[in-house]
Amino acid sequence: SYVLTQPPSVSVAPGQTATITCGGNKIGTKSVHWYQQKPGQAPVLVVFDDLDRPSGIPERFSGSNSGNTATLTVSRVEAGDEADYYCQVWDGPTDHRVFGGGTRLTVL
Amino acid sequence: EVQLVQSGAEVKKPGESLKISCQSSGYSFTDYWIGWVRQMPGKGLECVGVTYPGDSETTYSPSFQGRVTISADRSINTAYLQWSSLKASDTAIYYCVRVETTTSPMDVWGKGTTVTVSS
Repeated sequence: SYVLTQPPSVSVAPGQTATITCGGNKIGTKSVHWYQQKPGQAPVLVVFDDLDRPSGIPERFSGSNSGNTATLTVSRVEAGDEADYYCQVWDGPTDHRVFGGGTRLTVL
Repeated sequence: EVQLVQSGAEVKKPGESLKISCQSSGYSFTDYWIGWVRQMPGKGLECVGVTYPGDSETTYSPSFQGRVTISADRSINTAYLQWSSLKASDTAIYYCVRVETTTSPMDVWGKGTTVTVSS
């Protein structure tokens, strides 16, 4: 089965840039989606199809995808960005949707 | 406004059956897939499976095949996730989600249904 690998945690000071990676075999050939989950809440889609943002998501959230790594970048990090972030793809050969293990973003 | 409204929290004993629901509104129910995502306590997200109410096509992730049943009732725009015999390991929050196509994101999420299985 297809595996997505994320770092368990990322820490960044307010105003700095946070980079969260999602590794997978030839992930650059797949569409990657990113979700933000704050404590006690349902996840929210923040980036889809590698780099697009749903309406209402700040431009500070951006994505990229190439080779074996997809990346979610959060610029000018704010305290309210502290959350768990998950990447997700659809794996064509198995017809299954797969999530990464999640990354906890801590704002110092 | 597109909404997915899930049924309330459940407390069950091992071996009991359960069916939780997800009622959709604000869009054409038969034009989108409806899926279920599990989150065990303190853990990450796992896709349980998805169903297409338009033709009832349903797929399950390998870990859940044979353990749960996903269905939908087009007449009341409602999807279901059911178990015939619960285990303690089924204790989790279950979210229903909307998906447009196979490669699309899960763009709308319900608030989640907490299922607790304990003797």
